[in-house]
Amino acid sequence: GQQLNQSPQSMFIQEGEDVSMNCTSSSIFNTWLWYKQEPGEGPVLLIALYKAGELTSNGRLTAQFGITRKDSFLNISASIPSDVGIYFCAGRGGGSNYKLTFGKGTLLTVNP
Amino acid sequence: GAVVSQHPSWVICKSGTSVKIECRSLDFQATTMFWYRQFPKQSLMLMATSNEGSKATYEQGVEKDKFLINHASLTLSTLTVTSAHPEDSSFYICSATTGWGAYTGELFFGEGSRLTVL
Repeated sequence: GQQLNQSPQSMFIQEGEDVSMNCTSSSIFNTWLWYKQEPGEGPVLLIALYKAGELTSNGRLTAQFGITRKDSFLNISASIPSDVGIYFCAGRGGGSNYKLTFGKGTLLTVNP
Repeated sequence: GAVVSQHPSWVICKSGTSVKIECRSLDFQATTMFWYRQFPKQSLMLMATSNEGSKATYEQGVEKDKFLINHASLTLSTLTVTSAHPEDSSFYICSATTGWGAYTGELFFGEGSRLTVL
């Protein structure tokens, strides 16, 4: 089945620094999604990407759908303490396979 | 975005009992709902997909007689963990979407339900 490799597994940064995380897939995806999950909560959708090469921003967050359709990255600029959480990438294949495959997550810690 | 609500948010039960978790879409009609399981510090694992009015489709390795899923209306799906055992302790999360959302992948997640089986 499809597998997603998400890295880094965790990050410890200072407030104000920029952050970058990425996901790679063993197969092609038609949709890439980035979610944030805080402790004891469900994931919240941050950015959705639908076309290869697409670059989309949501405030301080920017994500791109890789040209090969097998990778995506998420950047967070000027991090703040409330950015703390686990960030998951998720991808969806084509055809009738509408199920999402999730990466293992990147735990982000921001030191004030 | 759309609102999905789960209840209860946490539950503690004795081994051998059954527990029901509800997932409701509050401001839209969800033709498709998904149930996930998440262990500490791990990713979300899809358990099953349910479409309103039809039987759920379970992922490989998920016991359908153990995890009963009912999607009786366009705004409610329930997951019942039958004869729960300590190894069933986990964080269960539902997600809901409209028909189109199932194909765009834009799922809206509930807050999750923490199950602890003693």
